[in-house]
Amino acid sequence: GQNIDQPTEMTATEGAIVQINCTYQTSGFNGLFWYQQHAGEAPTFLSYNVLDGLEEKGRFSSFLSRSKGYSYLLLKELQMKDSASYLCAVMDSNYQLIWGAGTKLIIKP
Amino acid sequence: DTEVTQTPKHLVMGMTNKKSLKCEQHMGHRAMYWYKQKAKKPPELMFVYSYEKLSINESVPSRFSPECPNSSLLNLHLHALQPEDSALYLCASSQDVLRTGTNNEQFFGPGTRLTVL
Repeated sequence: GQNIDQPTEMTATEGAIVQINCTYQTSGFNGLFWYQQHAGEAPTFLSYNVLDGLEEKGRFSSFLSRSKGYSYLLLKELQMKDSASYLCAVMDSNYQLIWGAGTKLIIKP
Repeated sequence: DTEVTQTPKHLVMGMTNKKSLKCEQHMGHRAMYWYKQKAKKPPELMFVYSYEKLSINESVPSRFSPECPNSSLLNLHLHALQPEDSALYLCASSQDVLRTGTNNEQFFGPGTRLTVL
């Protein structure tokens, strides 16, 4: 079966750094996406990885290791507005997105 | 314009009502999606349209009926829904379905919060 695992909830302090991990087992791999979703709102695209390595975009970076079926999203200089759910999604061999359950990130002052 | 719009924002309907959800994008995307999302769960794919043709129907009950009148519009017709169908309904679009790489991320609309009484 297809499976994506992420921690359910994480807490971090404003100004700090947090790493959200995602492991996956899917039938085929055509890339991994990270989305941010604030409560009651739609998901918004953060990053895409298809090759191994680190992609940096401002305060957010995403890493992929295909051999380990592993990715992480790194958020630096945390701000209160970063409190949200972070969803990991893998595009499988049928080009369908398989979604993780999401990690709820709580930022404390 | 990198926006997907959805109407209405909120909808309350009885189990005997017929209503429609609407979605629109003007990014020239050829793939459009309907998702259902329950609280604290990830989006659950319902339908995929590719080049205005239904390409994926994830075993969705017939009380949900999608329609794609043209490449910019996607509707979801609702009839005889059940209280358990209450959820956030998200529309999304992407450049294409059978494509990988950057610039094929899905853009989501703000969703319609549906309550079935």
